[in-house]
Amino acid sequence: AQKVTQAQTEISVVEKEDVTLDCVYETRDTTYYLFWYKQPPSGELVFLIRRNSFDEQNEISGRYSWNFQKSTSSFNFTITASQVVDSAVYFCALSEGRGQGGSEKLVFGKGTKLTVNP
Amino acid sequence: DAGITQSPRHKVTETGTPVTLRCHQTENHRYMYWYRQDPGHGLRLIHYSYGVKDTDKGEVSDGYSVSRSKTEDFLLTLESATSSQTSVYFCAISTDRDRGIYGYTFGSGTRLTVV
Repeated sequence: AQKVTQAQTEISVVEKEDVTLDCVYETRDTTYYLFWYKQPPSGELVFLIRRNSFDEQNEISGRYSWNFQKSTSSFNFTITASQVVDSAVYFCALSEGRGQGGSEKLVFGKGTKLTVNP
Repeated sequence: DAGITQSPRHKVTETGTPVTLRCHQTENHRYMYWYRQDPGHGLRLIHYSYGVKDTDKGEVSDGYSVSRSKTEDFLLTLESATSSQTSVYFCAISTDRDRGIYGYTFGSGTRLTVV
């Protein structure tokens, strides 16, 4: 069965520090997608990135970067020069293989709460 | 923006009463999902739908039922609410990976408290 593990429950850093959020996944599918979502204190879920299993290139978007390594089944997320506005819960998620009617269900990790202190 | 609206946004109900949450989308997406979020558990799938009148159970479906009589609406019903169903409920839609950009969009959530 698919599984996503975010071992870090909470992380606290001081502004401008770099921080890496870990995500390890398990799947028997050869084709799958990985996602990161941000949930700020306001509660909505904000999409950050999607990566498919055939694309192992790392991605950078401003202060955010993602390291996808199939060899270790990891999809880690790094925030460079963290800011107070980065404080949120971050979820890693894995899409399961095709289910009923072609649907693909997301399986979430339990989330990592990041607090960035001024 | 997939145009997902959840209603109500907040609800307090008594144990044993039925409750229905509504998810409405405006872009004709085929796949819709209901998740619940609880501290320490992340988001867990309750039920999902892959078309009108086509639904299936997720990981935590006990005590919940769903209906989808129209493409745009996906209803989640708690037949007899219990305190363990106090949670934040999220609706989501997904696009078909074979038909363009594949992704999920979530509604704003419904905070349900069962007293």
